[in-house]
Amino acid sequence: QITLKESGPTLVKPTQTLTLTCTFSGFSLSTSGVGVGWIRQPPGKALEWLALIYWNDDKRYSPSLKSRLTITKDTSKNQVVLTMTNMDPVDTATYYCAQPGRGDAFDIWGQGTMVTVSS
Amino acid sequence: DIQMTQSPSSLSASVGDRVTITCRASQSISSYLNWYQQKPGKAPKLLIYAASSLQSGVPSRFSGSGSGTDFTLTISSLQPEDFATYYCQQSYRSRTFGQGTKLEIK
Repeated sequence: QITLKESGPTLVKPTQTLTLTCTFSGFSLSTSGVGVGWIRQPPGKALEWLALIYWNDDKRYSPSLKSRLTITKDTSKNQVVLTMTNMDPVDTATYYCAQPGRGDAFDIWGQGTMVTVSS
Repeated sequence: DIQMTQSPSSLSASVGDRVTITCRASQSISSYLNWYQQKPGKAPKLLIYAASSLQSGVPSRFSGSGSGTDFTLTISSLQPEDFATYYCQQSYRSRTFGQGTKLEIK
């Protein structure tokens, strides 16, 4: 059974850097074709894709947020880490990690973690 | 960037109705289009991938069609559990979600 779970701070101050960790089980990020992505959703708003990392360390970023994002993987720990710099109140959202499957669609999602940006 | 536009933004319908939601891409994305259902407080659930392939475990009343720039999600006979928000998402270049369609009970 594949599971993913997000963890990180619930509250960050403006201008700080956010670090989120996705801990997964049931698959390995060293297996060919496997990836993990991050998606966020501000309260009452639409989903927004942020970043993806693949088994071969290929990394993809949202063009609009690329300058602020870094995605890395730790295969031995079964973790993917997303950092977002210069946080702003508009970055307040639920952050999800998810695994892409057939059609490169996100078929397995974590439960999400709510991050509030406020001083 | 590829923009995804869903219509309508909201929709009222009754149990048993046939419902269609449309998603339009700002450029051709072949069949790299996925549909998700999201209920309040829950993570999205994948319904359709590659425009028309039904995800395992999803009821057959859900179907998807289209290619290029125009896509549709159809629910053939609405059930009470189908009232939710639906999102399209392209995976042709980078990834982009539509703005969502909220399906409400009439």
